[in-house]
Amino acid sequence: EVQLVESGGGLVQPGGSLRLSCAASGFTFSSYDMHWVRQPTGKGLEWVSAIGTAGDTYYPDSVKGRFTISREDAKNSLYLQMNSLRDADTAVYYCVRGDSSSRYPYYYYYMDVWGKGTTVTVSS
Amino acid sequence: DIQVTQSPSSLSASVGDRVTITCRASQSISSYLNWYQQKPGKAPKLLIYAASSLQSGVPSRFSGSGSGTDFTLTISSLQPEDFATYYCQQSYSAPPWTFGQGTEVAIK
Repeated sequence: EVQLVESGGGLVQPGGSLRLSCAASGFTFSSYDMHWVRQPTGKGLEWVSAIGTAGDTYYPDSVKGRFTISREDAKNSLYLQMNSLRDADTAVYYCVRGDSSSRYPYYYYYMDVWGKGTTVTVSS
Repeated sequence: DIQVTQSPSSLSASVGDRVTITCRASQSISSYLNWYQQKPGKAPKLLIYAASSLQSGVPSRFSGSGSGTDFTLTISSLQPEDFATYYCQQSYSAPPWTFGQGTEVAIK
């Protein structure tokens, strides 16, 4: 069974740090891009970071310079190091697999496997 | 960044109704548009990718259409398990991958 399981969430003070982990199983982890997507309580989805199979990384401006995504293919694991946390970072964080499908000559990208999420609360 | 805007933000419908949700992109995104379903307390689930391709295992009552800037998700006959929030997402110009604000489908 294809599965993603997040861990590492919790309560942290503003300005603090937290490291999220995601354990992947049931597929060849090293062959896929991976993402973190977050969702504040009662609000919509926000893409937070991505890492390609070659280790290339991407971030939106809202977290650039504060968050670092990394992967360890030998352990089928994805990580998100979050520093200088703010109240606005409070959310459920999902680990997500990226994939694509070809319809010649194009490749269509989507996020097809999601973990159950881990909750991060930034509060004093 | 490309913005995607959904309408309506919420709707109420009865079991058996035909339901249509619209997503509009701030510029042309060809067919690079995905739809997700999220039930309360659960992770999102991919329904449709490339505007109209049904993800494996998704019931055929779900369909997607559109290209360019205007897209539609249609549920042909609403079932009790379809009450949820639906999100569109563009993958044409990414990063960033951007989501619509969501459409909540509630029971009338």
